[in-house]
Amino acid sequence: DAKTTQPNSMESNEEEPVHLPCNHSTISGTDYIHWYRQLPSQGPEYVIHGLTSNVNNRMASLAIAEDRKSSTLILHRATLRDAAVYYCILRGPQGGAQKLVFGQGTRLTINP
Amino acid sequence: GAVVSQHPSRVICKSGTSVKIECRSLDFQATTMFWYRQFPKQSLMLMATSNEGSKATYEQGVEKDKFLINHASLTLSTLTVTSAHPEDSSFYICSALAAGLANTGELFFGEGSRLTVL
Repeated sequence: DAKTTQPNSMESNEEEPVHLPCNHSTISGTDYIHWYRQLPSQGPEYVIHGLTSNVNNRMASLAIAEDRKSSTLILHRATLRDAAVYYCILRGPQGGAQKLVFGQGTRLTINP
Repeated sequence: GAVVSQHPSRVICKSGTSVKIECRSLDFQATTMFWYRQFPKQSLMLMATSNEGSKATYEQGVEKDKFLINHASLTLSTLTVTSAHPEDSSFYICSALAAGLANTGELFFGEGSRLTVL
C-alpha cells in the first residue's frame, strides 16, 4: 500500500480555518485519497475523498495538488467537536480490495 | 447515513475465556466487512477482511485460530477472541462496505468494542 505522511499533531482555534496536510509522493494513478477522522473512544468516520479534482462536502474541502503527491483537508470553520485524529489514506481503485490501511494520522486540538 | 452497530460496546472477561463481538450493518447489505484493533494512543491495525459466505483473509501476523471471524450473512459478521489473555485487551472496530454503494468508496465504521481481559 502506498504510504502517506502527516504531521503528528496540529492545533487551531475555534471558528478559524484548519488546513491539514498530507504527503503521498508514491501515489499511483488509480489511488483515491481518503480522509477519515476518529473522535475519542469512537470508530472512525468518513470525511471526504477524491481522485484528482478538489472536492467539497458539508464537512470539509479536499484540495489535491496538481501532481497528486500531496493533498490538504480544509475545515473551514473549526468547532470544538472537530477535535479528533485525522487520517489521510490512499485506497486502490473502487471495485478492488477496498481495504483501508491507517497510518498514524494527525491529532487536531481545537482551542476555545 | 448508513449505520454499523457493534455489540457489546464494552466487555470484561477472565483470562482463558472466549469473547464474541458482533458487527451488524443496520440499514444496508455489506458484502465485505473489515476488523481492526487499536491499542491506546495508537492507530488502527487491520486484522482481517471478511467476505460474506467465504473464509476471512487475515493480515500478516494475525493468528486465524486466535481471532475467529464469521460472516454468515450480508448484515452480520462476528469476531471471536478465543482463549483471551490480558495482551488481547484492546479496542476492536469493524467496518462495512455497502454492496450497493461500493463505488462511492466510503466505509462505515462501528462504534468499537473495548475488550478488557483480567
